[in-house]
Amino acid sequence: NAGVTQTPKFRILKIGQSMTLQCAQDMNHNYMYWYRQDPGMGLKLIYYSVGAGITDKGEVPNGYNVSRSTTEDFPLRLELAAPSQTSVYFCASTLDGSGSYEQYFGPGTRLTVT
Amino acid sequence: AQSVTQPDIHITVSEGASLELRCNYSYGATPYLFWYVQSPGQGLQLLLKYFSGDTLVQGIKGFEAEFKRSQSSFNLRKPSVHWSDAAEYFCAAVKAAGNKLTFGGGTRVLVKP
Repeated sequence: NAGVTQTPKFRILKIGQSMTLQCAQDMNHNYMYWYRQDPGMGLKLIYYSVGAGITDKGEVPNGYNVSRSTTEDFPLRLELAAPSQTSVYFCASTLDGSGSYEQYFGPGTRLTVT
Repeated sequence: AQSVTQPDIHITVSEGASLELRCNYSYGATPYLFWYVQSPGQGLQLLLKYFSGDTLVQGIKGFEAEFKRSQSSFNLRKPSVHWSDAAEYFCAAVKAAGNKLTFGGGTRVLVKP
């Protein structure tokens, strides 16, 4: 199993540009999450999904969009990049109903908006 | 509001010395509690978790954590640190039967030779 994979690893965007951060998992997990990590702030939840076709906002959803057309993939879209979106983005997944509650994390995408 | 607090932003410890990282939570009822470690440039890896029962839980890499309900704390310990323990450590919580983790701000551990 590859686990949770994210692409790209690094990206520099200009203000106003758009991009999609890709996330995929091969563990057949139903729950998937997107977090952003800013220094000293821990991880903040952006969006999450409880299954294909179902998404919901987290703590900091403004400026982002998501979709979940398959169990495996959960892309995060930035439409009009702003400097405040400079951060490290992590995707995670878990299997609800397993009793574990352990979330498995991808390696992250470091995004800089200038 | 639910929250998780890690009071120490940075901790420096000598190799071979003991380590304790603090974590406090504020929830209506006792949540499920977790410690994750993030090595430089990596994602997060679960060290250990507490749901109920024995208040001293053992994890991977020689770490343990103690749950204290009276202090709303879940502190992480290691008796003797290795240089490879230099990383950032996150405490996290989720309410029972919930599905959204709340993370603390993290504690960065530096290990001196």
